[in-house]
This record gives sequence, structure tokens and C-alpha cells, in this order.
Amino acid sequence: NAGVTQTPKFRILKIGQSMTLQCTQDMNHNYMYWYRQDPGMGLKLIYYSVGAGITDKGEVPNGYNVSRSTTEDFPLRLELAAPSQTSVYFCASRQDSPYEQYFGPGTRLTVT
Amino acid sequence: TQLLEQSPQFLSIQEGENLTVYCNSSSVFSSLQWYRQEPGEGPVLLVTVVTGGEVKKLKRLTFQFGDARKDSSLHITAAQPGDTGLYLCAGETHRGSTLGRLYFGRGTQLTVWP
Repeated sequence: NAGVTQTPKFRILKIGQSMTLQCTQDMNHNYMYWYRQDPGMGLKLIYYSVGAGITDKGEVPNGYNVSRSTTEDFPLRLELAAPSQTSVYFCASRQDSPYEQYFGPGTRLTVT
Repeated sequence: TQLLEQSPQFLSIQEGENLTVYCNSSSVFSSLQWYRQEPGEGPVLLVTVVTGGEVKKLKRLTFQFGDARKDSSLHITAAQPGDTGLYLCAGETHRGSTLGRLYFGRGTQLTVWP
């Protein structure tokens, strides 16, 4: 079972460039999440989705966009990258019950 | 503002020692989870506690959920170098439109020296 997969694993962007972080899960989970993790700050929720076609903002959505056209995929779009978006990004999914979230391996993004 | 406060932020101990990590909030949670994260990887769930006062054991790890479901603790007995990692607590609340969200603490970085 692949679980949650994320691509790319590493990426360097220049200020003002755009990119999409891909996330796919094969567990038929309704709930999917995007987090960013900065040193000493835990995980901050960017966007989440409770099902295909439904998305909502988390704590730090500015500068990001998401879509959820299928149950499996939940891409995160960065428009006009800024140095403040340098971080490690994690995608996660969970089923309705129990509450365990399954995380992908992360994407380390550097904006210079 | 952090909804869940974890302490301590860093913990460096010798093999064989015991330790406790705390996760506190003024909010009530419907469940609380503990994750462990190793460098270069995503967090992996250790345990979920749902009932106030609940205690769960996972080998040398003991997890407790506060009676009021506002706090939790993780106790490790006779720590080993393999316990080294970042420990994260996360609370789930069903307030309003935030159904399905987890709120994470900042984490406790544990290092166990041989």
C-alpha cells in the first residue's frame, strides 16, 4: 500500500515563481490536509478538505490555493513564491473514524 | 496563539531515565493524539485517546488524557536511544465548521544518549 505520496521531495524556487505540490492517497479517505512545518513551530494547517469538491482554509492560507476534484488528489498551489514560504510541507489524509491522520513524506521547499 | 501548549520544548536525557511530556490547553477536545516524527519523515501516530481520564500504554510509553479532556501527558519509562525524535500532540475539536481539524502543539524534541 502506497498510503500518502507527495512530489517533489525537494524544490528550490526563485522569488515570484509558481509551483504545484502534488499529493495523492490510495486509502479512499475523505479528509485531506496540507500543513507546513517550520523549525520549533509544530505543524500549521494551510488548507483542508472534507471531500471531493469541498475545501476550507486553515490557519495560514495566504499565498496558497487548493483544489479537490477527486477523492485521491489534493494539490497545493503556490503563486508568486516568497521567502516566507520556505518550509517543509506535509500532506495528510484520514478516514471518518477513527481519527488517525496518515502523513506523506513531505516536500522541502526553499524560496530564494 | 497556540491552542495546545507542549512542554518541554527540548529534552536531553541519558538512556534508562524516565521522562514526561505535557500537552495543555484551555479548550476541550473530542480526541487527542500523539505523533512521533523522525528527521526527513512525516509524523506517525502513536496513540489516540478519546475518553476523559483514559490511560493507554504502548510498551514503555504511557499516555493519559485529562479528566476534563483539556490536557494530556506522555510518560516514557527507561528511555532508549531509539526513542529519540520529535513528539507532537494534536487535539481534534468539533467546534462549528472546523469538523475534522487537528490542532498541533509545537512539539518536544527528545534526545536520548547512550
